[in-house]
Amino acid sequence: SQELEQSPQSLIVQEGKNLTINCTSSKTLYGLYWYKQKYGEGLIFLMMLQKGGEEKSHEKITAKLDEKKQQSSLHITASQPSHAGIYLCGADKGFDRLAFGKGNQVVVIP
Amino acid sequence: GAVVSQHPSRVICKSGTSVKIECRSLDFQATTMFWYRQFPKKSLMLMATSNEGSKATYEQGVEKDKFLINHASLTLSTLTVTSAHPEDSSFYICSARETTKDTQYFGPGTRLTVL
Repeated sequence: SQELEQSPQSLIVQEGKNLTINCTSSKTLYGLYWYKQKYGEGLIFLMMLQKGGEEKSHEKITAKLDEKKQQSSLHITASQPSHAGIYLCGADKGFDRLAFGKGNQVVVIP
Repeated sequence: GAVVSQHPSRVICKSGTSVKIECRSLDFQATTMFWYRQFPKKSLMLMATSNEGSKATYEQGVEKDKFLINHASLTLSTLTVTSAHPEDSSFYICSARETTKDTQYFGPGTRLTVL
């Protein structure tokens, strides 16, 4: 079965600093989703990557999928308190069924 | 982005009773919806795929007679937890796939507590 490992497990950054979190798969990724979740709430869709080397940006968040399609990184520029939350990466394991990593908890200190 | 709603947001029930959770896609049609559960500080675990007009497909280890899924229309899927027990207490989240955008949108989740 496909396993996703997210690192670091938790991260504390000062407001205004950049941060990067990673998602590594045990198998080739054919569709990689990034979501953000606040504890006890639903998931907010951020981005979906499919092609090796693909990079997408939305506001201050940039996500990349490496050429080998086994690792993705998500980078936040000039972090703000609104960026705090749990970031989950999800891999399509076939027929649009998603398997998720355990998440990266991001804390932004004002 | 597309909107997916869930009802109720919170439910408390007695052990042995059944609870129904609704998942609706509000501004798009979804032939496929998915049900996940999430334990405290854990990741999401896919339970089943809900298919409009046909039987749900369950993941390995998920009891289909325990978690009844019905997808009667293109905008509504329901999950019924039958004869609930305290170990069924969890956060249940649904998602719906919007075909035109080739992505999945998640509902806000339902917190189930079984006493």
